[in-house]
Amino acid sequence: QKEVEQDPGPLSVPEGAIVSLNCTYSNSAFQYFMWYRQYSRKGPELLMYTYSSGNKEDGRFTAQVDKSSKYISLFIRDSQPSDSATYLCAIRSNDYKLSFGAGTTVTVRA
Amino acid sequence: NAGVTQTPKFRVLKTGQSMTLLCAQDMNHEYMYWYRQDPGMGLRLIHYSVGEGTTAKGEVPDGYNVSRLKKQNFLLGLESAAPSQTSVYFCASSFAGDTEAFFGQGTRLTVV
Repeated sequence: QKEVEQDPGPLSVPEGAIVSLNCTYSNSAFQYFMWYRQYSRKGPELLMYTYSSGNKEDGRFTAQVDKSSKYISLFIRDSQPSDSATYLCAIRSNDYKLSFGAGTTVTVRA
Repeated sequence: NAGVTQTPKFRVLKTGQSMTLLCAQDMNHEYMYWYRQDPGMGLRLIHYSVGEGTTAKGEVPDGYNVSRLKKQNFLLGLESAAPSQTSVYFCASSFAGDTEAFFGQGTRLTVV
């Protein structure tokens, strides 16, 4: 079993829709929770970062962490064609390994 | 400020050949990582380093070796390339264990 499981997608949504992305993890020692965005043929870039349960907002993006359920989510409001990318959840353990989900490819249709 | 630079960007190897991928960062980061990315598999950690002179195995270390002789460089070696090592390889670095990891642009390796 992978340490981080991510809904595989792909997702295709119309412009303006809410995008919901989810991951689960198996190791309760995981401390830090991140979402990366990766455009085609580019390296991943950090989008959101949190280390506690609850919600964190940054503009149109909301990251949600539920440590009791070992579940993390990313919501994109008012999605734009420029949001079309692959989104990867990432979780860091106490020994500072950074483990990634498989990624979900999102396409926002204009 | 170049960030994280990977060399080369593309390479085609024959089965059994060896090669070294170079990752260089100019941000004075302590932590460096090598990942491979395959369709449907996400990023899988090969090896990582928490400081100069140290290395540790990740999720898929077999067939790879690494060295961190200088703080700014992290080398990934393939001693005898196999077709199963065809992948996109990403290097990343971070200042500390709990901070953002910055990624390079990737190396596309094909083993025929």
